[in-house]
Amino acid sequence: AQSVTQLGSHVSVSEGALVLLRCNYSSSVPPYLFWYVQYPNQGLQLLLKYTSAATLVKGINGFEAEFKKSETSFHLTKPSAHMSDAAEYFCAVTHEGGTGNQFYFGTGTSLTVIP
Amino acid sequence: GAGVSQSPSNKVTEKGKDVELRCDPISGHTALYWYRQSLGQGLEFLIYFQGNSAPDKSGLPSDRFSAERTGGSVSTLTIQRTQQEDSAVYLCASSGGGPPTDTQYFGPGTRLTVL
Repeated sequence: AQSVTQLGSHVSVSEGALVLLRCNYSSSVPPYLFWYVQYPNQGLQLLLKYTSAATLVKGINGFEAEFKKSETSFHLTKPSAHMSDAAEYFCAVTHEGGTGNQFYFGTGTSLTVIP
Repeated sequence: GAGVSQSPSNKVTEKGKDVELRCDPISGHTALYWYRQSLGQGLEFLIYFQGNSAPDKSGLPSDRFSAERTGGSVSTLTIQRTQQEDSAVYLCASSGGGPPTDTQYFGPGTRLTVL
């Protein structure tokens, strides 16, 4: 079985500050992990994904995430928040050979950027 | 088309009525997913189509829910005898290949409100 937990349904940061969005996973098999972003009135957009290659994954818009097996974590970071980063962020997990019904999404974290 | 489109964007219906939600995937994408996003919840898998294979319906919550995909392109999700607990945002996604690593491209969703 697989699942993800996103700690903090709401996160607020000041513009220019570090963004840290937390995702912990549970998986009985090696996981594939994803971060998606959802801007208001838009569909989810892939930020980055980990599929068993480099543990530090760089994505779009300056975001990156590090897979830490020992901590079962895949936290999303960005060194300096921009106003345009305000959105809902979702972590998701699947695995090699996972089928269409085996993507499991977290409940999301809403990021607010304070000017 | 440029991306995945869904219609209508909003649907308000009365309890007991049937509704149809439409998804137009990206042209040429063989895989199509439907998810449900309820307030405060993550994305819940509903159904998955891959090419001409039989759809994976394992996520449909009841026999009031059904979906079809005509000609390997447009998909319609039908909810019969709607209930208030069906109120949610219904998201459609498509991908060029199969899971688990092919990027899913999401539509903006249909917000369904059952009165």
